[in-house]
Amino acid sequence: KAGVTQTPRYLIKTRGQQVTLSCSPISGHRSVSWYQQTPGQGLQFLFEYFSETQRNKGNFPGRFSGRQFSNSRSEMNVSTLELGDSALYLCASRAGATNEKLFFGSGTQLSVL
Amino acid sequence: QQQVKQSPQSLIVQKGGISIINCAYENTAFDYFPWYQQFPGKGPALLIAIRPDVSEKKEGRFTISFNKSAKQFSLHIMDSQPGDSATYFCAADRGSQGNLIFGKGTKLSVKP
Repeated sequence: KAGVTQTPRYLIKTRGQQVTLSCSPISGHRSVSWYQQTPGQGLQFLFEYFSETQRNKGNFPGRFSGRQFSNSRSEMNVSTLELGDSALYLCASRAGATNEKLFFGSGTQLSVL
Repeated sequence: QQQVKQSPQSLIVQKGGISIINCAYENTAFDYFPWYQQFPGKGPALLIAIRPDVSEKKEGRFTISFNKSAKQFSLHIMDSQPGDSATYFCAADRGSQGNLIFGKGTKLSVKP
């Protein structure tokens, strides 16, 4: 079974631009979560989607948004990029809304210049 | 507000030794405590997890010890190997929300 797939692997953007990251969950998994990982703040929860609906949202500004499609694939968008948005963005999937086991992808490394 | 505190930040252990990483939490509503292992260039991978109704869980060389009254839990890696060199994260969740609160991580180096 293929794992969680994230594209692209690396991205370089400039301040003020917007970016879209993509995530394909493990086949059969209906829940997709997004996390931001930085050396200073560690791993922080962004949001979770289940059956195309946002179930949970972390403490991030509205510039961070996401969506989930009917095939469970998810995208995350960051608008008006800031230098501090440079981070590894990780997508994770789990089988269902009550299943605790979270499986992470390898992430998208975003650099904002 | 850091709800899960992890220590130490870094750890060096000789091959064959025991690695011990500690975490403390604040929210008594947490009911699921996983440990993740992350290698450079990879996402975190679930290692082992425990619920508060159990004081210890062992899987191979990895053991979680859980102290509910002290709100602490720890990861023990027995017979540590160079291949165990990675960053380890403890985490906590409540009600299977899927919103994991992570500790800041421990970078483990196992010397041959």
